[in-house]
Amino acid sequence: AQKVTQAQTEISVVEKEDVTLDCVYETRDTTYYLFWYKQPPSGELVFLIRRNSFDEQNEISGRYSWNFQKSTSSFNFTITASQVVDSAVYFCALVRNTGFQKLVFGTGTRLLVSP
Amino acid sequence: DTAVSQTPKYLVTQMGNDKSIKCEQNLGHDTMYWYKQDSKKFLKIMFSYNNKELIINETVPNRFSPKSPDKAHLNLHINSLELGDSAVYFCASSLRDRVGVTEAFFGQGTRLTVV
Repeated sequence: AQKVTQAQTEISVVEKEDVTLDCVYETRDTTYYLFWYKQPPSGELVFLIRRNSFDEQNEISGRYSWNFQKSTSSFNFTITASQVVDSAVYFCALVRNTGFQKLVFGTGTRLLVSP
Repeated sequence: DTAVSQTPKYLVTQMGNDKSIKCEQNLGHDTMYWYKQDSKKFLKIMFSYNNKELIINETVPNRFSPKSPDKAHLNLHINSLELGDSAVYFCASSLRDRVGVTEAFFGQGTRLTVV
């Protein structure tokens, strides 16, 4: 069975602070994909990143960076110099790369960035 | 030029009614999904169709019936609506390519309120 755990229910920071959102996953599959999605107050789900299980390189995109560590089954997301517009619920998700896929989501972390 | 569009965005209806939510994608994807997001923001898959064929059917009441007339459309019909059906329903699509699984793109969601 697959499982994604986002232990942080809610995080509050002040603008310009750095913040890391944790994601720990469980799977017996050797090949899989990990994702992060953002759900702003408007409600839509916005894709942020896809990472396959063979690629453990960290990735940086502007103020966003992701740290994938298979040894600890973690795929953490860091926002540098947070902004009010980063306020949203962030979901980590996992999908197997065999057979027919379904995204298994974590419970989400609500990030509140205050001015 | 919306990638995944679903209608309506809001749906308020009385218990016992039958309602439908429509979804269309113009991404050329071969797999479409329905996800349910409850009041605690938890996202769970309901159904998945690949090339018009039902491939995933989670433990969803028989009152929910998906229909895929073609690869680009996946509609959700709900009979005899109950209070507990109130949630946000997301349609999504993805593609399985030579490399693996692409990210799923989500529609803007349909907020269903049963009164």
